[in-house]
Amino acid sequence: DGGITQSPKYLFRKEGQNVTLSCEQNLNHDAMYWYRQDPGQGLRLIYYSQIVNDFQKGDIAEGYSVSREKKESFPLTVTSAQKNPTAFYLCASKEQGNSYEQYFGPGTRLTVT
Amino acid sequence: QKEVEQNSGPLSVPEGAIASLNCTYSDRVSQSFFWYRQYSGKSPELIMSIYSNGDKEDGRFTAQLNKASQYVSLLIRDSQPSDSATYLCAVTYLFRGSGNTGKLIFGQGTTLQVKP
Repeated sequence: DGGITQSPKYLFRKEGQNVTLSCEQNLNHDAMYWYRQDPGQGLRLIYYSQIVNDFQKGDIAEGYSVSREKKESFPLTVTSAQKNPTAFYLCASKEQGNSYEQYFGPGTRLTVT
Repeated sequence: QKEVEQNSGPLSVPEGAIASLNCTYSDRVSQSFFWYRQYSGKSPELIMSIYSNGDKEDGRFTAQLNKASQYVSLLIRDSQPSDSATYLCAVTYLFRGSGNTGKLIFGQGTTLQVKP
């Protein structure tokens, strides 16, 4: 089955620790995206990547880092510099070209105390 | 000024009624528009895409787009309790000077409650 997987589903960390969230897709999509969702709010773009070995900052990139070494994988690291890291993190992907339809993974709920 | 606006609700309708969800956007060059459904605690699921003015129907869902008024809506006919969810409107954002990035701007979502 083709799809997007994110792991883990729930993640708990202590303040000051870096944490890496996994996102893998087998849809052969070129573009991948990371969003953050806070309660009662829409999605805000953190980082995106349109091709391997290239990525761009989104609207709220401070305190986050990414890599795109393989087409299938786009991990997100939440660093200790991120002031309010507790949130629901969503990974999405889309085909290259003129399609704008993004498909989401199941998400990772991160709690930092 | 928010770029994509939705009434957060909740919008409450009785089972079998038509639910009407609305969204306005501010970027005149936006070309593609999407509705996502998000159940509580789950990730968004794409349910409708619309690219040109007018109506697009898919089963019980109809998306309506009016680019002149910068307005997109989603109608759900014969609403069912299983339609109770938050509906997110998303609009393409052609980042000025950067071409087609595929970036979407999301509204904050409208919560729909369908009462049996």
